[in-house]
Amino acid sequence: EPEVTQTPSHQVTQMGQEVILRCVPISNHLYFYWYRQILGQKVEFLVSFYNNEISEKSEIFDDQFSVERPDGSNFTLKIRSTKLEDSAMYFCASMAELAGGGETQYFGPGTRLLVL
Amino acid sequence: QKEVEQNSGPLSVPEGAIASLNCTYSDRGSQSFFWYRQYSGKSPELIMFIYSNGDKEDGRFTAQLNKASQYVSLLIRDSQPSDSATYLCAVKETSYDKVIFGPGTSLSVIP
Repeated sequence: EPEVTQTPSHQVTQMGQEVILRCVPISNHLYFYWYRQILGQKVEFLVSFYNNEISEKSEIFDDQFSVERPDGSNFTLKIRSTKLEDSAMYFCASMAELAGGGETQYFGPGTRLLVL
Repeated sequence: QKEVEQNSGPLSVPEGAIASLNCTYSDRGSQSFFWYRQYSGKSPELIMFIYSNGDKEDGRFTAQLNKASQYVSLLIRDSQPSDSATYLCAVKETSYDKVIFGPGTSLSVIP
């Protein structure tokens, strides 16, 4: 069964450093997402990406964040200058529209980011 | 601010019983509704999606959608201890790609 993969599974970084989180969405999916989940809190939408551009972003997704689909398979989230409050689990997801109607969105296993 | 609300629980049911999980949403124009299961430390796992009013059944799971009441529910029949997890309701906004999650309901199935 196709699945979304993410690397690395864990990342520890120093405050102010740049991190890049990587995702490989399901190959025939067209919509890609990044979410984060701070420990004990709800899943928060960061950004959606369609047709090689951002289609929607939340207020969390400020100038420190960027996304890219550099080669048609990978989908990356870059945080330019990490803050302590960026510590969270980051999930990538991809979505497909179904022929009979409706949509399915599948999550990757996540990258746990710890900013020290 | 568009919101998705769920009872945080914990909801405890005995093994074999029906678990009923509820969700309300504020955006009347929402089109797609998802139920995810999340085990501690793991990523959300899609178990149901629904976009038409009424019921949708898949195995032991039934999703119910009432757009007029802005309400979506999930019934789990013959609950098993392995169903113990947090259940997340998620709503996709009209014309946008943003998916908004509720805070989740913790379910505990007691053997």
